[in-house]
Amino acid sequence: DAKTTQPPSMDCAEGRAANLPCNHSTISGNEYVYWYRQIHSQGPQYIIHGLKNNETNEMASLIITEDRKSSTLILPHATLRDTAVYYCIVATGGTSYGKLTFGQGTILTVHP
Amino acid sequence: EAQVTQNPRYLITVTGKKLTVTCSQNMNHEYMSWYRQDPGLGLRQIYYSMNVEVTDKGDVPEGYKVSRKEKRNFPLILESPSPNQTSLYFCASRGQSGRSSYEQYFGPGTRLTVT
Repeated sequence: DAKTTQPPSMDCAEGRAANLPCNHSTISGNEYVYWYRQIHSQGPQYIIHGLKNNETNEMASLIITEDRKSSTLILPHATLRDTAVYYCIVATGGTSYGKLTFGQGTILTVHP
Repeated sequence: EAQVTQNPRYLITVTGKKLTVTCSQNMNHEYMSWYRQDPGLGLRQIYYSMNVEVTDKGDVPEGYKVSRKEKRNFPLILESPSPNQTSLYFCASRGQSGRSSYEQYFGPGTRLTVT
């Protein structure tokens, strides 16, 4: 699986958009970009995933560059409860996808 | 409610005393796995199972055993725990098709301390 690079920490004001970048320059054609987050020491929580098109769900939006070498997770209106470690993971999808290789992630702190 | 449950949530034990951490999911998922999380090392996969009676080693399987006799349960067994197995453990599951094949569900975690 391709490696990812994320900034170790970011800050965001409550109510503003949080934009979390991720570099995955060695991503393969059949690999998806997944985002998970971990609040304190709870179990990681799935946020969103994408292959090459931008994706949006009730939690966030995922913007993937045309060359697929980087992506950005967008939390449109960050709240204090969004303070967490955010992990960008690249892995194959469907039946062949199993292990998630978690890096160090980005610690997002949302301030009042 | 779709969930993965683990028991116990907290456990303090002594070196060499066999223990089992249970994991159960109610989503009829085929795939289940165990991870451990340690400061500075992130989450690392211990064992995984693609279905009943099908298990395989992850990245850090030494000192652990698993079994998958029923689809919903995937217990983690430490036959002779040692202090280096002190960690936060997570069980996870996912399906094999559709939306459930992309979203992996994690349990709440089991914090194990071996003295």
